[in-house]
Amino acid sequence: EAQVTQNPRYLITVTGKKLTVTCSQNMNHEYMSWYRQDPGLGLRQIYYSMNVEVTDKGDVPEGYKVSRKEKRNFPLILESPSPNQTSLYFCASSLTGKVDTEAFFGQGTRLTVV
Amino acid sequence: RKEVEQDPGPFNVPEGATVAFNCTYSNSASQSFFWYRQDCRKEPKLLMSVYSSGNEDGRFTAQLNRASQYISLLIRDSKLSDSATYLCVALLPWYSGGGADGLTFGKGTHLIIQP
Repeated sequence: EAQVTQNPRYLITVTGKKLTVTCSQNMNHEYMSWYRQDPGLGLRQIYYSMNVEVTDKGDVPEGYKVSRKEKRNFPLILESPSPNQTSLYFCASSLTGKVDTEAFFGQGTRLTVV
Repeated sequence: RKEVEQDPGPFNVPEGATVAFNCTYSNSASQSFFWYRQDCRKEPKLLMSVYSSGNEDGRFTAQLNRASQYISLLIRDSKLSDSATYLCVALLPWYSGGGADGLTFGKGTHLIIQP
């Protein structure tokens, strides 16, 4: 089954404690992205990756890091989480940036930083 | 500037009614458009693509008006299960400053179908 898998689904952590949210896709997609979704603000892109070892900032990259060592994996790293990073996070993958590209989303990770 | 704007609602509609909502986009370089559906606390999923000629999928019809830079979604004979948030999405070419996939999401329109 084609899917994007995020882990963990729920995470409560304390300020300053490094954490990683994993994302894996099994569709051999080149493009992967991370979004955060907050009430009233919609989906905002954090980072994206066009292919292995190619990453770039989205709209709200501050406080986040990513890596793309393998095509299927795109982890999101919060080196020193802060309460303003409490949010619902989605990983997404898509085949290419061409017309009719469909983005497939993971089930989301609800992060609370206290 | 890359913005996609939608009325957040909520729209409260009786079951069986027809409901339509629009979405406007500001970047005329937008290449393709989509409607995604997001259920509460779930991930967005593609509902349908929007083509220049418009397209229909069962009870759902999407239209694109490039001259006025808006797209619309029409739902006929609405069901309780249509209650969700509908996200309007525009695909920007990479050179316009979009992300790698160039997808720009609106904030969503919340639809509630009432029995």
